[in-house]
Amino acid sequence: SQQGEEDPQALSIQEGENATMNCSYKTSINNLQWYRQNSGRGLVHLILIRSNEREKHSGRLRVTLDTSKKSSSLLITASRAADTASYFCAFAGGTSYGKLTFGQGTILTVHP
Amino acid sequence: DAGVIQSPRHEVTEMGQEVTLRCKPISGHNSLFWYRQTMMRGLELLIYFNNNVPIDDSGMPEDRFSAKMPNASFSTLKIQPSEPRDSAVYFCASSSQGWTEAFFGQGTRLTVV
Repeated sequence: SQQGEEDPQALSIQEGENATMNCSYKTSINNLQWYRQNSGRGLVHLILIRSNEREKHSGRLRVTLDTSKKSSSLLITASRAADTASYFCAFAGGTSYGKLTFGQGTILTVHP
Repeated sequence: DAGVIQSPRHEVTEMGQEVTLRCKPISGHNSLFWYRQTMMRGLELLIYFNNNVPIDDSGMPEDRFSAKMPNASFSTLKIQPSEPRDSAVYFCASSSQGWTEAFFGQGTRLTVV
């Protein structure tokens, strides 16, 4: 399967703490993307990092990419209760142009 | 733009019936994806189109599933006959071109009884 793995599967923290989620993949990629899903809703794009980039920031989000290890991490700093959601990484690449494949996701719960 | 529009939002049908899910992508987007989400299997890519042409349908579970994109503004996913194990949330997503940010619809929650 071209799906990768995410860990942890679930993460529970207190408001104000940082949350780190990790993602590993198997094939070569053009870019890696992170998405957020609130319960019962569609996924919303957060950030995209290209294969030639190592780190990217967007507000309280920081994404790193290590193509040698085929892994990425998403860091949410100073978490808020509103950050409670599921977070997915998505791999863009492989043999089929345009294919976007998602990991299994991490369920983040931020307690007020 | 109103975003990706899916219909219906909820569908309850009896086993053996035909089910058709519909999707209107964002205007100008060239890529369209159909995903299925369940607790057990996560978010699975069923099929995706580029410029209305199916590029990869390796995720389509069985011949009971079929998808079409007759034009740039409309796609359907059909299940015939439906089975209880098809119960899931089906998402449609579109992107402006391959490998860029995907925009998701709100999903269709399908229940087959």
